[in-house]
Amino acid sequence: ETGVTQTPRHLVMGMTNKKSLKCEQHLGHNAMYWYKQSAKKPLELMFVYSLEERVENNSVPSRFSPECPNSSHLFLHLHTLQPEDSALYLCASSQEAGDNEQFFGPGTRLTVL
Amino acid sequence: GQNIDQPTEMTATEGAIVQINCTYQTSGFNGLFWYQQHAGEAPTFLSYNVLDGLEEKGRFSSFLSRSKGYSYLLLKELQMKDSASYLCAVRNAGNNRKLIWGLGTSLAVNP
Repeated sequence: ETGVTQTPRHLVMGMTNKKSLKCEQHLGHNAMYWYKQSAKKPLELMFVYSLEERVENNSVPSRFSPECPNSSHLFLHLHTLQPEDSALYLCASSQEAGDNEQFFGPGTRLTVL
Repeated sequence: GQNIDQPTEMTATEGAIVQINCTYQTSGFNGLFWYQQHAGEAPTFLSYNVLDGLEEKGRFSSFLSRSKGYSYLLLKELQMKDSASYLCAVRNAGNNRKLIWGLGTSLAVNP
C-alpha cells in the first residue's frame, strides 16, 4: 500500500450504532488530519494530530472521538450520530503539522439513517 | 470573518485555456493552495503560493496578489481528464496554521 488509505470506503449506520473509521499513512509523516466534506460546504477541519498528540480540535461534537495510537494510524470513533453527520470523511497527512502539502486518503462515505 | 470565494461551476472546451479565480478575506495569511478533486476521489495538491506572482508547473499555473486578496489557477491545453473540482485554500498565519477552504469550482471540459 502506498500513500494514505482509509477503511471502510462506504459506511451506513443507524443513529444508535457505534463504528470506527480507520486511516493509515505509509509516507512517514508526523501529522495527520480528519476532515469532513459535506455537499455545498467547504472542507471542515475536525482534528489535527502531530506525533500522536492532538494539536487541534475544532469544536467537534463529542459523538466524534479521534484516536492516534502512532504516527501512521488515525481512527475516528463514531457513536450516536445524527443524520446531518452524513458526509465524506477525509483523512490527510503531512510531514509536519501545517506543512505546505497535505496528502489525502480516498475518504469514507458515511450515511447516517 | 474568514471567507474564500470562488465560482461554483465553469465549463470549457478541450484544448482551450481556463482561469479559475479565488478571492479571500482571512485574519492572517501564510500561503494559498490549489487542490484538484475528481468526483469520488481524494483532493490532490496542485500548487502553493506565498509570494506575489505567478508559479508555473507544466500546464497549470497559479497566481497570487496578496494586496488584493486574489489568486487564480490557469489551466492550459485543457484535457477531458481536467474535469474536476478545484479547491482554493488559505493558510492562517501564526501558531494556528490551519487551512481555510473554499467551496470549490466544478470544471467541466467538453470535447
